[in-house]
Amino acid sequence: EPEVTQTPSHQVTQMGQEVILRCVPISNHLYFYWYRQILGQKVEFLVSFYNNEISEKSEIFDDQFSVERPDGSNFTLKIRSTKLEDSAMYFCASSGDRGLPEAFFGQGTRLTVV
Amino acid sequence: KQEVTQIPAALSVPEGENLVLNCSFTDSAIYNLQWFRQDPGKGLTSLLLIQSSQREQTSGRLNASLDKSSGRSTLYIAASQPGDSATYLCAVPGYSTLTFGKGTMLLVSP
Repeated sequence: EPEVTQTPSHQVTQMGQEVILRCVPISNHLYFYWYRQILGQKVEFLVSFYNNEISEKSEIFDDQFSVERPDGSNFTLKIRSTKLEDSAMYFCASSGDRGLPEAFFGQGTRLTVV
Repeated sequence: KQEVTQIPAALSVPEGENLVLNCSFTDSAIYNLQWFRQDPGKGLTSLLLIQSSQREQTSGRLNASLDKSSGRSTLYIAASQPGDSATYLCAVPGYSTLTFGKGTMLLVSP
């Protein structure tokens, strides 16, 4: 069964460093998303991406965040200068169409900023 | 702004019980509603997607219902098993987002 794959599963970084979280969405999907979940809190939307551009972003997704689809398969989230409060589980998701069919999520990358 | 609430926050039952998890949402103009399962420290596994035109959707021992007019969905789990222990999340779509509830943490004891 097709699945969304995320790497790495766990990343530890020092405050102020840049990190790149990687995702391989399901191959025929058109919409890609990043969500995050701070420990003990709700899953929160960060950004959606379609046709090589951001279609929607939340207030959380400020200038320190960026997304890219560098080739036909990968989808990345870059955090330019990490802060302690960026520590969270980051989930990538993909869907075949906006909002209508199922969204499929990866297993997440646990980011720990020290 | 869509708000999603899940009740109860936690539930502990003995194996074999039937149980109901509740989800309510404030904006009823939704296309569908999705239920997920999350194991501790793990990702989100899609359980059921119920379209706004449907009233129910079933998968094995799981049955989800949707009442858009009242802004509610329920997830019914029949004959619960210890392997069902997890957090169950409901999520409703916006323009290109999903808004999640905080989840119901279920513990099924043998």
